[in-house]
Amino acid sequence: DTEVTQTPKHLVMGMTNKKSLKCEQHMGHRAMYWYKQKAKKPPELMFVYSYEKLSINESVPSRFSPECPNSSLLNLHLHALQPEDSALYLCASSQTGAHSGNTIYFGEGSWLTVV
Amino acid sequence: RKEVEQDPGPFNVPEGATVAFNCTYSNSASQSFFWYRQDCRKEPKLLMSVYSSGNEDGRFTAQLNRASQYISLLIRDSKLSDSATYLCVVHGNNDMRFGAGTRLTVKP
Repeated sequence: DTEVTQTPKHLVMGMTNKKSLKCEQHMGHRAMYWYKQKAKKPPELMFVYSYEKLSINESVPSRFSPECPNSSLLNLHLHALQPEDSALYLCASSQTGAHSGNTIYFGEGSWLTVV
Repeated sequence: RKEVEQDPGPFNVPEGATVAFNCTYSNSASQSFFWYRQDCRKEPKLLMSVYSSGNEDGRFTAQLNRASQYISLLIRDSKLSDSATYLCVVHGNNDMRFGAGTRLTVKP
């Protein structure tokens, strides 16, 4: 079982809604990530937090807003999404630094459908 | 040229077969390499790291060829449960790239 926990597992939201995806890890990892994955495609990096600071933003639209309240938690706030934003959103963490070569552990993902 | 390239497959093999996947990368400064496995509608899970000296874990063998810039994964005596998508992951210079994944189906 994964040690990265994501909630909710499934979310359906309208284009005017505001919702949040949550991620938690208790492995003491200092880097946390959000990825977006569409069907039959590899995960695409969205954001990286390293030591609770945003270190990478892969030109993600502002309707996605990450937040890292502490070293164990990572949120992704969603507002005014489009149907094409429907995807699997994966949270991940690694021990130290961002993309320093450490193994990345994924949560089970949140399936998002925008209607 | 894509930074990390994999043959998407699908590879359809009978049980017991040996199957090999390759993954090429373009950044010669890449430092760490991994194979992940992803089942349908599930998250990617680490299968194995890839070391310069090559490494083996049961039926799985991973190898790295820095000169030719590719990594490989060999699965021996394939099982039905090996059916999945195999993603190669390449780290380097604060950057990480996924390959598009290779779909494997093992049939009875």
